[in-house]
Amino acid sequence: AQKITQTQPGMFVQEKEAVTLDCTYDTSDPSYGLFWYKQPSSGEMIFLIYQGSYDQQNATEGRYSLNFQKARKSANLVISASQLGDSAMYFCAMRGLRGAQKLVFGQGTRLTINP
Amino acid sequence: DAGVIQSPRHEVTEMGQEVTLRCKPISGHDYLFWYRQTMMRGLELLIYFNNNVPIDDSGMPEDRFSAKMPNASFSTLKIQPSEPRDSAVYFCASSRTLYSPLHFGNGTRLTVT
Repeated sequence: AQKITQTQPGMFVQEKEAVTLDCTYDTSDPSYGLFWYKQPSSGEMIFLIYQGSYDQQNATEGRYSLNFQKARKSANLVISASQLGDSAMYFCAMRGLRGAQKLVFGQGTRLTINP
Repeated sequence: DAGVIQSPRHEVTEMGQEVTLRCKPISGHDYLFWYRQTMMRGLELLIYFNNNVPIDDSGMPEDRFSAKMPNASFSTLKIQPSEPRDSAVYFCASSRTLYSPLHFGNGTRLTVT
């Protein structure tokens, strides 16, 4: 079975600071993908970044980077130079690529950026 | 390129009524997913399809829920009869391949009174 754990229900960060959102996972699938999504107050789900389990390098997308530590089964999202518009819910998710192919989400972290 | 289109955006209905939610995935996407989001349970996968075939419906809460995908461009999620505990935001999402991110629709906010 796949499981995603996000231990930070809420985080408060000053604008322009970097922030790390934690995510740990568990799976028996040898090949999997890890995703981060952003859900602003308007409700839509926005894809941010993807990391494959066999990717050698950590994924980066603009101000977003994924700190992937396979041995620790963690896939933390790092947002550099945070902006007010980053305030939102952030979800970590995992998808097995051989066994269960469904995307399973964590409970989310509510990030608030203070001016 | 149009995204995933869901309708209606909002649905208010009385307990016992039938509710049908609709989804048009992105053209060329082979996978389609239905999720439900509530404060208590977060984002739950209800069912997903690959090439129009239901693959995993273990998340469908009860026999009152059913989903179909008659062709590659259309899917429905039906609740009959609806109950107040079905109130939630229902998302449809699609992805091109296993390795592709899911693209979500804007969701349908369902309220059952």
